[in-house]
Amino acid sequence: DIVLTQSPGTLSLSPGERATLSCRASQTVDSSYLTWYQQKPGQAPRLLIYGASSRATGIPDRFSGSGSGTDFTLTITRLEPEDFAVYYCQEYRESVMLTFGGGTKVEIK
Amino acid sequence: QVQLQESGPGLVKPSETLSLTCTVPGGSISSYSWNWIRQSPEKGLEWIGYIHYSGASTYNPSLKSRVTMSVDTSKNQVSLKLSSVTAADTAVYYCAKWSSAWRAFDIWGQGTGVIVSS
Repeated sequence: DIVLTQSPGTLSLSPGERATLSCRASQTVDSSYLTWYQQKPGQAPRLLIYGASSRATGIPDRFSGSGSGTDFTLTITRLEPEDFAVYYCQEYRESVMLTFGGGTKVEIK
Repeated sequence: QVQLQESGPGLVKPSETLSLTCTVPGGSISSYSWNWIRQSPEKGLEWIGYIHYSGASTYNPSLKSRVTMSVDTSKNQVSLKLSSVTAADTAVYYCAKWSSAWRAFDIWGQGTGVIVSS
């Protein structure tokens, strides 16, 4: 099975700063199936980025995704107060298995 | 916007079967695949499996022997049954809609907490 390792586990930043989150896969991932979600306390995850780099409907352009193969990155260019949350990457192999990373918590410094 | 609502008992005894239902309003159940995902502090987010409105399904290999999913288009409901539960099955359970266009979960329910305890 593919293992997704997210780093860092916690990112302590101030509003206005840039956040760079990493998701590394144990095997090559089809980029079209690499997704990022945001989760706030007490809420379900929310779709942010699909296909490694495409923003979902309504997602601000300060969120961007990049990467291919085994290394993927979620970047938040200027953190807004509402961006402090936990972020998960996820991959899917059709009709086989779907895996989530362990998450990166972006907290206020 | 599709709104999903999970429901079921919040407490299940060890060795019993956990049964949850996800209600999909508006008749859109017949157009998509419906997934169950759970989240616990120990395991994080864990995909349980999906069922297509046609009845075709795929389950997480680690849970496959204990999982059954079904769809009832007349009631607009998707169901999850997980047998022989243990404390390790204590989690928040989510249903989520799979977008084949985006290849991602674009709509999630609010989740329902399940505790396995005697």
